[in-house]
Amino acid sequence: QVQLVESGGGVVQPGGSLRLSCEVSGFTFSDYAMHWVRQAPGKGLEWVAVISFDGRSKNYAESVKGRFTISRDSSKNTLSLQMNSLRDEDTAVYYCARDGVGFSYGPNYFEYWGQGNLVTVSS
Amino acid sequence: DIQMTQSPSTLSVSVGDRVTITCRASQTISTWLAWYQQKPGKAPKLLIYKVSSLQSGVPSRFSGSGSGTEFTLTISSLQPDDLATYYCQQYKSYSWTFGQGTKVEIK
Repeated sequence: QVQLVESGGGVVQPGGSLRLSCEVSGFTFSDYAMHWVRQAPGKGLEWVAVISFDGRSKNYAESVKGRFTISRDSSKNTLSLQMNSLRDEDTAVYYCARDGVGFSYGPNYFEYWGQGNLVTVSS
Repeated sequence: DIQMTQSPSTLSVSVGDRVTITCRASQTISTWLAWYQQKPGKAPKLLIYKVSSLQSGVPSRFSGSGSGTEFTLTISSLQPDDLATYYCQQYKSYSWTFGQGTKVEIK
């Protein structure tokens, strides 16, 4: 079955960096675009970033543009999110999610989600 | 960005009730709308995509309708397992946006 397992979260000081990973299984990773979505404590869902199935195209929410970088490694079935210059408002549970349509530059809905990983930015 | 507005924010209902949640888009999104269910401490789960297509494994008591800028999610007869927060999402643009959520709780 499809599984997405995030790791790498934790506590970091404002201005610091953190790298999240999402290891996937149960489907052909290189066939699907992948996303990061976050949810601040007690708040709603906010889309963060997308990378196309072939890694050629990336897009970011304005709130993270220039600070976060999404990448993928098909040899390791792993999606990553490098987060730099972290701010208090980046505190959230971060989910990786798989696109709903294969071999598509989208946009599409999110068919599968990881369990989430908490990132806390605090001094 | 396309803004998505859900109403109501909270619904207090009884088991067996018919539940309707509304989602409005700030501009037309055709039929590029999905609904997700999120239970406390869990990841969101896809219920419906393209307005009315039921995701595999989702009970048939869930249905969706609408087009353009106004959409609804209906639960025909609420079950205890349906207590959750529901989010709509537009995927017309490459800047995906969600509604603020509707929490369905027991009256």
